Amino acid sequence: EIVLTQSPGTLSLSPGERATLSCRASQSVRSSYLNWYQQRPGQAPRLLIYGASSRATGIPDRFSGSGSGTDFTLTINRLESGDFAVYYCQQYGSTITFGQGTRLEIK
Amino acid sequence: QVQLQESGPGLVKPSGTLSLTCDVSGGSISSSHWWNWVRQSPEKGLEWIGEIHPSGVTNYNPSLKTRVAMSLDTSKNHFSLRLTSVTVADTASYYCARSSSGYLNHWGHGTLVTVSS
Repeated sequence: EIVLTQSPGTLSLSPGERATLSCRASQSVRSSYLNWYQQRPGQAPRLLIYGASSRATGIPDRFSGSGSGTDFTLTINRLESGDFAVYYCQQYGSTITFGQGTRLEIK
Repeated sequence: QVQLQESGPGLVKPSGTLSLTCDVSGGSISSSHWWNWVRQSPEKGLEWIGEIHPSGVTNYNPSLKTRVAMSLDTSKNHFSLRLTSVTVADTASYYCARSSSGYLNHWGHGTLVTVSS
């Protein structure tokens, strides 16, 4: 099973700033199968990025994904109030696994 | 727009069986997608339970494989989850979701299941 480790656990930033979230895999992940989700309180996760760098339908271009192999990054530019949430990476190999999440909070 | 809605008992006794159904609207469950169950608890975070394809193929999380069964009913356009021999560790919010190429792009709102006597 591939273990995904996200860092930092909590990120405190102000609106307008840039957020950089990391996801590291215990073994190489095919880029096609590394995805990112946003979860707001009381809601289901929402797909943001699939295939490491493709934005899902309706996701603004302030959100971008990059990386390959074992290291992947989610970048959020010009933070808005609705962006403060928990973010998860997820991989699809022989099974599906999720990272433990990064909480993005208002500073 | 595909919509998914979970339903089932919110309370299950220890050693009992958890049974949930996911109703799909706005699309056919017979389409070439995978239909998933994911659960979330404070202790374990997001945990994938398994997936089922309209062809009948299933894939389960190895850690739950001996206790899980999924099925799909095309006549009712829904799919189901059974989890046997539950313990308090199975208390979680359970989500159903549709996946394409390994990403889950449509989710239900989730349903909380508590295991307690």
